[in-house]
Amino acid sequence: ETGVTQSPTHLIKTRGQQVTLRCSSQSGHNTVSWYQQALGQGPQFIFQYYREEENGRGNFPPRFSGLQFPNYSSELNVNALELDDSALYLCASSGDIHQETQYFGPGTRLLVL
Amino acid sequence: AQSVTQPDIHITVSEGASLELRCNYSYGATPYLFWYVQSPGQGLQLLLKYFSGDTLVQGIKGFEAEFKRSQSSFNLRKPSVHWSDAAEYFCAVEGGANNLFFGTGTRLTVIP
Repeated sequence: ETGVTQSPTHLIKTRGQQVTLRCSSQSGHNTVSWYQQALGQGPQFIFQYYREEENGRGNFPPRFSGLQFPNYSSELNVNALELDDSALYLCASSGDIHQETQYFGPGTRLLVL
Repeated sequence: AQSVTQPDIHITVSEGASLELRCNYSYGATPYLFWYVQSPGQGLQLLLKYFSGDTLVQGIKGFEAEFKRSQSSFNLRKPSVHWSDAAEYFCAVEGGANNLFFGTGTRLTVIP
C-alpha cells in the first residue's frame, strides 16, 4: 500500500466527452505527477504539479489539464476525448520535486468509445 | 534526450531459476534509476532505486540491480524466482525534474 488512491477505478466515455480523474496523495506529499499508460506500453509522463502549480509537462496537448489542491488531492481533466485516450491513468506522489521516489496509485482505466 | 530501452519484451523462467532483466538508459547527467513492478490491472510498485553511491542496489522481494555507467545499464536480478514474481517489470530514469521516463516493460512468466 502506497497511500495513494485514485477514483474511479474504471470509466467508460464516448468520443468528444470530457472526463475528470481524481487522485489523493500520501499525506505530506506536495508533488503529484500524472502518467498515461496505453495497453502494452510503459507509462508516459503527462504533467507534474508542485504546490498547486504546474511544474513540467510531457508531450500532451492542452486538452489535458490538471489541478492540485491544498489537501493533497489532485485532478486530471481531459476534454474532447479521442479514442486514443483509452488507457490506464496513473498518479504518483512524492515528497518533493528532486531526488524523491514517486509512489503510484492503482490507476483509473478509461475506455473511450 | 532521456530514454530507456528494455530489449526483452517477454521472458519465461522456471520457478527457482535465476533471473536477469535488462535495462539500458540514455541520459546526459548522472542518472537516477528505478525498477518498478506491475501486476495485471494494478499500479506500479517500486522494487528499488539508484541515486548515487554503491552501484549494487538491494530492493524488496529479493531483487537487486547493478548500475554500470560504462554500459549505460541498470539490470535487475534475482537469484531464485518465485511463481508470485510473474508480472510486468519497468525500468525508468528520472528526467531531471522528478518526471520519469519508462521503458516499454518486460513481461515475466514463471513456469512450475
